[in-house]
Amino acid sequence: DTGVSQNPRHKITKRGQNVTFRCDPISEHNRLYWYRQTLGQGPEFLTYFQNEAQLEKSRLLSDRFSAERPKGSFSTLEIQRTEQGDSAMYLCASSLGASPGETQYFGPGTRLLVL
Amino acid sequence: GQQLNQSPQSMFIQEGEDVSMNCTSSSIFNTWLWYKQEPGEGPVLLIALYKAGELTSNGRLTAQFGITRKDSFLNISASIPSDVGIYFCAGQLRIQGAQKLVFGQGTRLTINP
Repeated sequence: DTGVSQNPRHKITKRGQNVTFRCDPISEHNRLYWYRQTLGQGPEFLTYFQNEAQLEKSRLLSDRFSAERPKGSFSTLEIQRTEQGDSAMYLCASSLGASPGETQYFGPGTRLLVL
Repeated sequence: GQQLNQSPQSMFIQEGEDVSMNCTSSSIFNTWLWYKQEPGEGPVLLIALYKAGELTSNGRLTAQFGITRKDSFLNISASIPSDVGIYFCAGQLRIQGAQKLVFGQGTRLTINP
């Protein structure tokens, strides 16, 4: 079990460019979550997948953001036409559902800087 | 939306001292969790609490789930340098069958050797 992995770890882009991040959850985990964390704050929920189905999206997820989990394994988060306000750490977490004590395990995050 | 108030925001202590931090909410949560985050890394789970009133220990860490289900505290005894980091409380809500986490603002712990 190698844990949740995220790539890239860091991304610097110019305003207006598109970026895509990847998350590989712990194998066998059917649930995958994306969070965003700005400096000095706790992570904020963005969206959630159960297998390949995206079941919940936060109002923080504007129409420039899209997330997919095509085969119910890895997930991608794309931001189109990036803005400076998108600069943040993007965290992915996975869990094995169907238990009261469901625990989310976080990846190391992708830190995005939009210039 | 739901918000968690975590205090203190930062702590500066001497090595060997005990630490206490807490989290309160206006909403009820069915699970409380405490995470630690180090620079450039994702949060790592320290303790999970599933029942109101539950008191759970993990080594030098002790956490309690408040009776009202609206608060929790975390204690660290005999602090050591590797305890440095940001500690987050999180409440867990059920949404569409999954569990969404709502985080506090964090407590930054600094230890003077």
